[in-house]
Amino acid sequence: AQTVTQSQPEMSVQEAETVTLSCTYDTSESDYYLFWYKQPPSRQMILVIRQEAYKQQNATENRFSVNFQKAAKSFSLKISDSQLGDAAMYFCAYRTGPGNTPLVFGKGTRLSVIA
Amino acid sequence: GAGVSQSPSNKVTEKGKDVELRCDPISGHTALYWYRQSLGQGLEFLIYFQGNSAPDKSGLPSDRFSAERTGGSVSTLTIQRTQQEDSAVYLCASSQTGRQPQHFGDGTRLSIL
Repeated sequence: AQTVTQSQPEMSVQEAETVTLSCTYDTSESDYYLFWYKQPPSRQMILVIRQEAYKQQNATENRFSVNFQKAAKSFSLKISDSQLGDAAMYFCAYRTGPGNTPLVFGKGTRLSVIA
Repeated sequence: GAGVSQSPSNKVTEKGKDVELRCDPISGHTALYWYRQSLGQGLEFLIYFQGNSAPDKSGLPSDRFSAERTGGSVSTLTIQRTQQEDSAVYLCASSQTGRQPQHFGDGTRLSIL
């Protein structure tokens, strides 16, 4: 079975500092996608960043970047220059490709940003 | 453009009643997914529809749960004879092709008294 593990239930970071959220996954598939979603109190799941397994280069989106270690099945999210608006639940998710398939989520990490 | 729309936003009902939750996906998206998020938990897959293919119901927790997707667009998730453990946020998502990410609605918070 495919599983996603987020080992940090809660994290905090000072405003303007950098924080890294951990995620590991277990799969026997070779074609898959990894995602980080942000869920603020509004409940909506907002896509932060995604990574295709076949790409070796780590994905980046402005202040957000990932460290994708395929052999170790690790997919961590780094948030640079943290802002108060980054405070939310962050979920790591995985799905197999290439067709439409459901996401498998971790249990999430609650990130607090301290002013 | 319009995103994924879910209604109602909140639903409170008595144990034993049936409920219907609605999802209106982004226009043109062929895939539609239902997930459940229990308090303090991640999202749990329930069911998904892909075009005209038979839905993948492998995540439905019991036969009290069912879903339909009419005309390849709007979907309704029905929970019959609700139980207190059904209390959760039900999230719907849609996507275009397999390589495109899923876009989520704001969810329906279901509370069973």
